[in-house]
Amino acid sequence: DVKVTQSSRYLVKRTGEKVFLECVQDMDHENMFWYRQDPGLGLRLIYFSYDVKMKEKGDIPEGYSVSREKKERFSLILESASTNQTSMYLCASSPGTGQTDTQYFGPGTRLTVL
Amino acid sequence: GNSVTQMEGPVTLSEEAFLTINCTYTATGYPSLFWYVQYPGEGLQLLLKATKADDKGSNKGFEATYRKETTSFHLEKGSVQVSDSAVYFCALLFGGSNYKLTFGKGTLLTVNP
Repeated sequence: DVKVTQSSRYLVKRTGEKVFLECVQDMDHENMFWYRQDPGLGLRLIYFSYDVKMKEKGDIPEGYSVSREKKERFSLILESASTNQTSMYLCASSPGTGQTDTQYFGPGTRLTVL
Repeated sequence: GNSVTQMEGPVTLSEEAFLTINCTYTATGYPSLFWYVQYPGEGLQLLLKATKADDKGSNKGFEATYRKETTSFHLEKGSVQVSDSAVYFCALLFGGSNYKLTFGKGTLLTVNP
């Protein structure tokens, strides 16, 4: 069965801390994505990766960075957390086969920055 | 650019009622279209998809038809259940965008017994 896991369901951090969110997929997918989900704004793409060590900015990359050292793992890094980064973070992966790709989502990490 | 507009919620229905959630899109070309569902406390999961004009996607009693002439992909179900209570997202995928999904803002559906 398809599986995307995220390291934490809930996380509380303080302003200025460096925060790591981890995502692992077991489907040998090429593409991986990080979104944030906020009420009234839907899902917004932060970064995505289409291969190991390859990444592209999404719609709202400011304040975030990512790392993909291995195919199955995609990390989102908040260099210096701020209160406006309090949100639900969703990771997804897809095969990378083309326009009919289905994205598979993890359960999400609800991050609170105090 | 590409965009998706879906009806704003929340939508509240009684069990066994008919459901329609409207979705229209703007895209330079012919994207694939998706409906994703998010149950409380969970991530998104694919509900159905259609990859070309006039295709009908269906799953769990839900249906949506890819209408190129009206650029629409409305979600329908003939008889909703309490367990259908969730947030529904319409999305498009256009190959020229490096396979990035463009989502609508989501529609919260609550079904009462």
